[in-house]
Amino acid sequence: QSVLTQPPSVSAAPGQKVTISCSGSSANIGKNYVSWYRQLPGTAPKLLIFENNKRPSGIPDRFSGSKSATSATLDITGLQIGDEADYYCVTWDGSLSGWVFGGGTKLTVL
Amino acid sequence: QVQLQQSGPGLVKPSQTLSLTCAISGDSVSSKSASWNWIRQSPSRGLEWLGRTYCRSKCYNGYALSVRSRISVNPDTSKNQFSLHLESVTPDDSAVYFCAREVSADGNFFDSWGQGTLVTVSS
Repeated sequence: QSVLTQPPSVSAAPGQKVTISCSGSSANIGKNYVSWYRQLPGTAPKLLIFENNKRPSGIPDRFSGSKSATSATLDITGLQIGDEADYYCVTWDGSLSGWVFGGGTKLTVL
Repeated sequence: QVQLQQSGPGLVKPSQTLSLTCAISGDSVSSKSASWNWIRQSPSRGLEWLGRTYCRSKCYNGYALSVRSRISVNPDTSKNQFSLHLESVTPDDSAVYFCAREVSADGNFFDSWGQGTLVTVSS
């Protein structure tokens, strides 16, 4: 049971937009920045978004993040087949004094 | 460009100690703006943070409650690497283990990861 709650799966057609939600609490998302990661099978997670809404160099602006109160969202526009992957939200939890992860969302591009 | 290279056995017997090493290139384990983490992933637990080491005026550790009684994460400044030791393992500790660099900007996040090591706990 993950501390952060994500939908297990989302799907959309190529070119469309998808939103992945991440729900937490006042102990974690409510007080700290959220980052998002993409993971392809057999590889390590890769940073997509940090500090709620910033993109590292090399990440296209099709990926955007936001945060409100105790929830965060990752939006992906202009979906491509290559976007199929697992996506995870991560933040610090002050009551646990540790990093916490979402359970992951599998994106399928139909 | 930071690179993290993991090494260690892929098979550990129950009740023994799991030991992994993460060699750092492109940064220093003594960096005042980074922390060095271990994270694992299994089908049953998902991604789970285990612990970290970071050096400021001296070096510190932080550990997840779930493993606090049997984990140690240590920096090795002479080899620019850090290690994970997890004692008294059970089959439930079988997972892919990752090391990761946590950078401190306005917020903190993991910007570099090792390649992952599949560890199986079995006799």
